[in-house]
Amino acid sequence: EPEVTQTPSHQVTQMGQEVILRCVPISNHLYFYWYRQILGQKVEFLVSFYNNEISEKSEIFDDQFSVERPDGSNFTLKIRSTKLEDSAMYFCASRVTENYGYTFGSGTRLTVV
Amino acid sequence: AQTVTQSQPEMSVQEAETVTLSCTYDTSENNYYLFWYKQPPSRQMILVIRQEAYKQQNATENRFSVNFQKAAKSFSLKISDSQLGDTAMYFCAFIPHTGANSKLTFGKGITLSVRP
Repeated sequence: EPEVTQTPSHQVTQMGQEVILRCVPISNHLYFYWYRQILGQKVEFLVSFYNNEISEKSEIFDDQFSVERPDGSNFTLKIRSTKLEDSAMYFCASRVTENYGYTFGSGTRLTVV
Repeated sequence: AQTVTQSQPEMSVQEAETVTLSCTYDTSENNYYLFWYKQPPSRQMILVIRQEAYKQQNATENRFSVNFQKAAKSFSLKISDSQLGDTAMYFCAFIPHTGANSKLTFGKGITLSVRP
């Protein structure tokens, strides 16, 4: 069964450093998303991406965050200057059309120290 | 705006027994989808079951079934013949059927423990 692949599975970074979280969505999917889950809390929407541009973003997704799909397969989330409160599990998801549910990746655990 | 409420923070069930997890939601949309996701200790998000609001028939996937009450905006998950591997966090989620930009709204989740 096709999977959404996320790398790395766990990243530790120092506060103020830039991180890039990588995702490879399912090949025929057209809609891409990033969600995050702070430990013990609910899963929160960050951003949606379609047709090579951001469709929607949440209040969390401020100027420190950016996404891109540089080569037609990878879908990346960049955090320019990490803060302690960015520590969370970050999930990439994709779906083929709007009528289908999401397929989530296995997540990247980001720890900011 | 949509909201999803899971009022039970945790539940426990004996192996082989049946357990029901509750979820309510609020929306002004008429067409939408509802999901239950399972998050085991590995923290991966795994789709358990999906319900389309325009379908009256409750969705079923093997040991998992839902009780979808559209008028009451209720969407509970029933797990039959509980197994130790069912121990996980379960999230109820909602998405409106209003376009590609629709985002999932999650409840806070419920921790289910299956006792041997």
